[in-house]
Amino acid sequence: GAGVSQTPSNKVTEKGKYVELRCDPISGHTALYWYRQSLGQGPEFLIYFQGTGAADDSGLPNDRFFAVRPEGSVSTLKIQRTERGDSAVYLCASSLIANHYGRVTSTDTQYFGPGTRLTVL
Amino acid sequence: EDQVTQSPEALRLQEGESSSLNCSYTVSGLRGLFWYRQDPGKGPEFLFTLYSAGEEKEKERLKATLTKKESFLHITAPKPEDSATYLCAVQAGSYIPTFGRGTSLIVHP
Repeated sequence: GAGVSQTPSNKVTEKGKYVELRCDPISGHTALYWYRQSLGQGPEFLIYFQGTGAADDSGLPNDRFFAVRPEGSVSTLKIQRTERGDSAVYLCASSLIANHYGRVTSTDTQYFGPGTRLTVL
Repeated sequence: EDQVTQSPEALRLQEGESSSLNCSYTVSGLRGLFWYRQDPGKGPEFLFTLYSAGEEKEKERLKATLTKKESFLHITAPKPEDSATYLCAVQAGSYIPTFGRGTSLIVHP
C-alpha cells in the first residue's frame, strides 16, 4: 500500500473488555513496530517484529498486552481486560529492514500510521 | 539509558519569525537521530535523519543540524502551515529509537 494504515481509527470500550487493533504496514517492509502515545508525550515503544517473530517485546507493560504478525505483514495488537490507564493512541510503524549494527540507513526509517485512539471507559 | 530532552515544550511564533527547536540527548554510541513532524490526530511524519556531528540537512523552511550533544531544528520564516509538534528521536545501541516529548509549535498569521 501507499502508507501504513491502522484500523479502527477510534475505539471506545468498557473497562474489562478485550480489544484488537490492526496495522497494515507498507508493502515489503519487514520490520514492524508498535508504540503507545499519551497526550503530551512522545511515542513509547511496545514491541518490534522482524518478519513473523517478535524480536523485542520488552516494552509491553504487562501480560494483558500481546501482538502477532502471523504472515509477516499485517499485525494485530491485542489487549485483554482493558483498564482506564490503557487509554492512549496506539501507533504502528514499519521500516524496510532494521539494522542492528552500525550507522542507521534510509532503510531503517520508520514510517508511521495514523494511529488508533483507544478510550477505555 | 538513552535520554532525549526537547525544548521548549511549546513555542509561539509570528509568521516570518525564525527560530530554533532544541533536542538534547544522552546516549552511548549514536547511530542516528531523527526528526519527525506530528499534526494533531495523525501519526509522526518523517523529516530527517542525521548521523554524525557537523551534519546538516534541509527541507524547505527547515534545517536540522547535529552536534555531539544536541540537535537543532531551525525554522526560517515560518508559515502557519508549519504549526505542528516536532519530535526528536535517537537510535543508539538498540534498533529501537527513543523519542523526546516533542515541541509544540504554533505559527500565527
